[in-house]
Amino acid sequence: HLQLQESGPGLLRPSETLSLTCTVSGDSITSGDFYWGWIRQPPGKGLEWIGNIYYGGSTYDNPSLKSRATLSVDTSKNQLSLKVKSVTAADSAVYYCARLGLEPTDWHFDIWGRGTLVTVSS
Amino acid sequence: QSALTQPASVSGSPGQSITISCTGTSSDIGGYIYVSWYQQYPGKAPKLIIFDVSSRPSGVSRRISGSKSGNTASLTISGLQAEDEADYYCSSYSSGTTLVVFGGGTKLTVL
Repeated sequence: HLQLQESGPGLLRPSETLSLTCTVSGDSITSGDFYWGWIRQPPGKGLEWIGNIYYGGSTYDNPSLKSRATLSVDTSKNQLSLKVKSVTAADSAVYYCARLGLEPTDWHFDIWGRGTLVTVSS
Repeated sequence: QSALTQPASVSGSPGQSITISCTGTSSDIGGYIYVSWYQQYPGKAPKLIIFDVSSRPSGVSRRISGSKSGNTASLTISGLQAEDEADYYCSSYSSGTTLVVFGGGTKLTVL
């Protein structure tokens, strides 16, 4: 069955670039039937959508990140990647990757990774 | 500040029913049927429990139901059980600049 697993550095300094990977197992991200998304959750707070990407490269992102976020895919490794540049303490959160449907009408997240905690601190 | 508004907390006794509201605008909940709900236990990833306003994924309890009226969506859990104690988040597609919006979350306490 489909599984998603996020991985990343854990601790970053302010102004550094956050780089996260989501490894997808149990299906190919190039199957073409799904978008893949990133969502984050600051400690004790709610969920925030970061963006969605299709394996062919089409992306949608949240303007609130002011273009600091970059989503990409590595089809050879069946992985998704998220980079967030110029991080601050406000970027500290659990970061999740998740699967969603192909059309905006199906943009609900039906499979989630376990999440990875990222802390930004000097 | 979240785009969708939920009550911070609700509570109920075992066997009772509770309803969690989620209020948006005509650009999201009011304009589309693409409302979803997620259940999250402490330290765990969210789990999809409702999509398209009222559809349940396979395996989700029939005690859980969703509805919508105007700009407000609702999640109802009937026959409340201890295992229902969790945080609940609503989400919607939006025609605004942020295509996917979430509510701030509601903590359900089973008394």
